[in-house]
Amino acid sequence: DVKVTQSSRYLVKRTGEKVFLECVQDMDHENMFWYRQDPGLGLRLIYFSYDVKMKEKGDIPEGYSVSREKKERFSLILESASTNQTSMYLCASRLQGENQPQHFGDGTRLSIL
Amino acid sequence: GDSVTQMEGPVTLSEEAFLTINCTYTATGYPSLFWYVQYPGEGLQLLLKATKADDKGSNKGFEATYRKETTSFHLEKGSVQVSDSAVYFCALRRSDYKLSFGAGTTVTVRA
Repeated sequence: DVKVTQSSRYLVKRTGEKVFLECVQDMDHENMFWYRQDPGLGLRLIYFSYDVKMKEKGDIPEGYSVSREKKERFSLILESASTNQTSMYLCASRLQGENQPQHFGDGTRLSIL
Repeated sequence: GDSVTQMEGPVTLSEEAFLTINCTYTATGYPSLFWYVQYPGEGLQLLLKATKADDKGSNKGFEATYRKETTSFHLEKGSVQVSDSAVYFCALRRSDYKLSFGAGTTVTVRA
C-alpha cells in the first residue's frame, strides 16, 4: 500500500513565523501535491511538483513556497505565517499519468495565532 | 474554468437508508470524474471514478454514473452503514490534468 506521511498532525505557530510542513511518500511517485482544506471550499491546490526540483503553482500559491530536493519528500513553506493560513493541509502523491489516482496523507491541522 | 458543484450537507440518515449526493460539473470536453471519501481523522481516499460518458464507477456498494446529458455524477448507495459516516468529495480532472474538488458533503449515519 502507498504510504503518504505528513510529519505533524497538529501544529500551532505564531504570526510572522516561517513554517515548514513536511510530506514523505514511499512509492517512488513522480507527482506530489499540497492542498489546503477549508469548510465550504473543499480542497484547493497550492503547489504541485511533477518531479524532483520541478514545481508549479496551483490555484492559491500566494504566501507559500515549496521544495522538492528528493523524490520522496515535498515540503510546503509558509514564509511569514498569517492567521488566514490557519487550515488543514493535505499532501498527496501519484504516479505520472493522467488517470493515476492521488494518494493522500492524513493531513496537518495548522493554527496560526 | 472546469469545476464541480456538489450538494451541501450535512446529511444525516439512519442505517439501511438510501443515500444520494448530487454532483454536477462544468467543463469543456469530457473530463474524468471522481468521488473521494474522507473518514474522520484521515486523508482522502479514492472511492470510485469514471473516465467517459455512460461509465459507471462502483466500489464498497457505492455507484455513480457519468451522465453527459445532465453533466452529472451523482453518488448513490442503497443501504448505508454507520461506517459510511464521512465527508464525500466530488472531483474532476481539468484540462491541465489537475483535480478540482467540490466543497464536500458531510454524511452522518445513525444506528
